[in-house]
Amino acid sequence: LAKTTQPISMDSYEGQEVNITCSHNNIATNDYITWYQQFPSQGPRFIIQGYKTKVTNEVASLFIPADRKSSTLSLPRVSLSDTAVYYCLVGVQGSQGNLIFGKGTKLSVKP
Amino acid sequence: GAGVSQSPRYKVAKRGQDVALRCDPISGHVSLFWYQQALGQGPEFLTYFQNEAQLDKSGLPSDRFFAERPEGSVSTLKIQRTQQEDSAVYLCASSLVSSRVNSPLHFGNGTRLTVT
Repeated sequence: LAKTTQPISMDSYEGQEVNITCSHNNIATNDYITWYQQFPSQGPRFIIQGYKTKVTNEVASLFIPADRKSSTLSLPRVSLSDTAVYYCLVGVQGSQGNLIFGKGTKLSVKP
Repeated sequence: GAGVSQSPRYKVAKRGQDVALRCDPISGHVSLFWYQQALGQGPEFLTYFQNEAQLDKSGLPSDRFFAERPEGSVSTLKIQRTQQEDSAVYLCASSLVSSRVNSPLHFGNGTRLTVT
């Protein structure tokens, strides 16, 4: 199972761009990289998913280098409401062991 | 219409009691997952269903934990003879398809179980 390593916490200010990097050195060929966001007292919410290169949606961008051993979630111009825990997951849904969340990165956005 | 619904939202049980936690997934979603989340930790996988078939129960911590999804929709997670270490938030998630592409998981807001 591909394990991930993320910073435990990050601080930012409103309006800044935030980049959270996740390391997954033993990612398998079939594995996808998926990011979730979790607010207190809520279940995680899907943000973005990618396999290689760059993926962008209305919320975030995901950068994946050619070797796929890491990925970076980019949140443009964060606001206070982006304060949450962000999880990087690597794997194939439904496969043995399924998707492992890890401890995530606690992002604190300050005014 | 909505999203994944879990009930009860909060459950307090005395040690040794049995509890049943319910999950109503999004209609039509094939896959259903249960996760356990301890305070300050990330969700930990418990079990996975594809329709009514339980394809992976490798994460269930002991034989006191049992999950079912008899008609391929609603699922129940049952914990027998609860222990204090079972105190956690139990999250249910569903997704539209089961395939090599990861369909986004849609999570409920969980059931917070406190064992006293």
